[in-house]
Amino acid sequence: DAKTTQPPSMDCAEGRAANLPCNHSTISGNEYVYWYRQIHSQGPQYIIHGLKNNETNEMASLIITEDRKSSTLILPHATLRDTAVYYCIVYMTVWGNTGNQFYFGTGTSLTVIP
Amino acid sequence: GAVVSQHPSWVICKSGTSVKIECRSLDFQATTMFWYRQFPKQSLMLMATSNEGSKATYEQGVEKDKFLINHASLTLSTLTVTSAHPEDSSFYICSAQDSYEQYFGPGTRLTVT
Repeated sequence: DAKTTQPPSMDCAEGRAANLPCNHSTISGNEYVYWYRQIHSQGPQYIIHGLKNNETNEMASLIITEDRKSSTLILPHATLRDTAVYYCIVYMTVWGNTGNQFYFGTGTSLTVIP
Repeated sequence: GAVVSQHPSWVICKSGTSVKIECRSLDFQATTMFWYRQFPKQSLMLMATSNEGSKATYEQGVEKDKFLINHASLTLSTLTVTSAHPEDSSFYICSAQDSYEQYFGPGTRLTVT
């Protein structure tokens, strides 16, 4: 089951920063926080991930609180093409399996408004 | 980044027939691939974990005899929906694991009439 909670929807004005929150209060010490997004009728696209430090790449920044119970994905200058469903995933390693399953929550539907 | 492809991108089949969906990692080898299903306006639901050379591991509630998974090589996994029914109509998405990242395919839209 998903271990994250996100608001179901958010709006953001084009050109402004979009801040998407995620709660993962039961995260354990060796679990990462991953963010993906899904544009309508496409496969999810990787955005960024982190363990405890803040991370930044060409797409976004990830801010993880010191207690790691929540995080925020920041899209610094949102464009219309950033309209998508954003998923925050706690990366869970399942003992005995060679694969590491991702369990998706309901995500946040971000709409960037012109 | 790594690329994962799926074939076909969409398929329409009649009730009672079987449909095979392919998932390929194009520029890396994937010991593990995953299959998801997504109904309209819902999130992705993990169906099974596919490991090369061994039997797939299915999530609770997913019928292994209905959704046959074969992972015969490090770059190919297939999902066969057997005796398809209209309720199997969905968006099927695969992903392939490369180190600690998962790369997702573009999805296959299945419609069962």
